[in-house]
Amino acid sequence: RKEVEQDPGPFNVPEGATVAFNCTYSNSASQSFFWYRQDCRKEPKLLMSVYSSGNEDGRFTAQLNRASQYISLLIRDSKLSDSATYLCVVLTGAGSYQLTFGKGTKLSVIP
Amino acid sequence: DTAVSQTPKYLVTQMGNDKSIKCEQNLGHDTMYWYKQDSKKFLKIMFSYNNKELIINETVPNRFSPKSPDKAHLNLHINSLELGDSAVYFCASSPGTSVVTGELFFGEGSRLTVL
Repeated sequence: RKEVEQDPGPFNVPEGATVAFNCTYSNSASQSFFWYRQDCRKEPKLLMSVYSSGNEDGRFTAQLNRASQYISLLIRDSKLSDSATYLCVVLTGAGSYQLTFGKGTKLSVIP
Repeated sequence: DTAVSQTPKYLVTQMGNDKSIKCEQNLGHDTMYWYKQDSKKFLKIMFSYNNKELIINETVPNRFSPKSPDKAHLNLHINSLELGDSAVYFCASSPGTSVVTGELFFGEGSRLTVL
């Protein structure tokens, strides 16, 4: 089983739609979780952290379910500019921490 | 001002050649990394340096040798290039000795094509 698994998509959604991505992780000792965004042929950038109680940043909501070992990202009122690949990222280790990236889920928002 | 800059951005070379990619960060971060993103878009850590000291060295062929002359620079030298080395190589940095905040600052990537 891969350490961090995501549905690669693509998810093609119309503007204004709500879309959700899930991610599962295999290491139950993972400490922290994040979503990164990567535009086509660009570098990844941190989108948001994922907190145990769930957290929102504008149109974006991230949630964590430790019991089931999955993380989700919900995007409301999708914009054309949301088109990108969304990478699920997990922090593991003790002392020497390491970020493990999922392969990403591609989102295309269509006019 | 570019925070993490890599050169070259594109590199096309023949199998068997040796090439280097340079990385510099002006963020004052203590830790720098090399990641490889292959054609399947899988982003995988290769090396991590903290204040010029190697702290993470994943299972990478020893044809790959990182060098950190100072904490603002982390270069990657690749010997005897193979077709499978074709990928985008991202340099990144983070403050402190760990990435518990989850925030890595990536360079724009260096796209290596081996023919």
